[in-house]
Amino acid sequence: EDKVVQSPLSLVVHEGDTVTLNCSYEVTNFRSLLWYKQEKKAPTFLFMLTSSGIEKKSGRLSSILDKKELFSILNITATQTGDSAVYLCAVWASNTGKLIFGQGTTLQVKP
Amino acid sequence: ETGVTQSPTHLIKTRGQQVTLRCSSQSGHNTVSWYQQALGQGPQFIFQYYREEENGRGNFPPRFSGLQFPNYSSELNVNALELDDSALYLCASSGARDSSYNEQFFGPGTRLTVL
Repeated sequence: EDKVVQSPLSLVVHEGDTVTLNCSYEVTNFRSLLWYKQEKKAPTFLFMLTSSGIEKKSGRLSSILDKKELFSILNITATQTGDSAVYLCAVWASNTGKLIFGQGTTLQVKP
Repeated sequence: ETGVTQSPTHLIKTRGQQVTLRCSSQSGHNTVSWYQQALGQGPQFIFQYYREEENGRGNFPPRFSGLQFPNYSSELNVNALELDDSALYLCASSGARDSSYNEQFFGPGTRLTVL
């Protein structure tokens, strides 16, 4: 059965810290891996990764995919209180529209 | 360009009732997917519609059904509501049948509470 597992499930840090969120997956017909940030309701898109070893970067956030070891990491440097949210990892398996999500990592950044 | 919208925002129903949730896809998008997100969990795929036809379904019973209209808006219907159906229901749209190399844009969701 296809599955996506995130760790840790929750994390509390202080402003300025660097955090690493993990996502491992086991899916058939892997197409791509996505990271989303969910603050209140609608998940907002962060990154899509399709190729192994190529880092995607946006400001203080970066992510990389390892297709051999079947995992991805999301790094956030110099964290701010506005980074507090649930971070979701999801994987496209085949083209049936089935985006498989992990259970999310809840990040709390304290002032 | 308008984003994905959903209605209603919140809904309270009792067990056994039926509910219809609505979603308007982002302008130019012809594919709509529905997800159920229970508290503290990641979203679970319910089904996807592409040009008014179902294009993939997750592990949900037949009492979860859907519809897509010619303008690509969509409805999610749930019959015989159970307490475990209480969740945030998210709609997402994309511009291609095979979305696996494209971003899905999510709506704000409908919070359903079943008493």
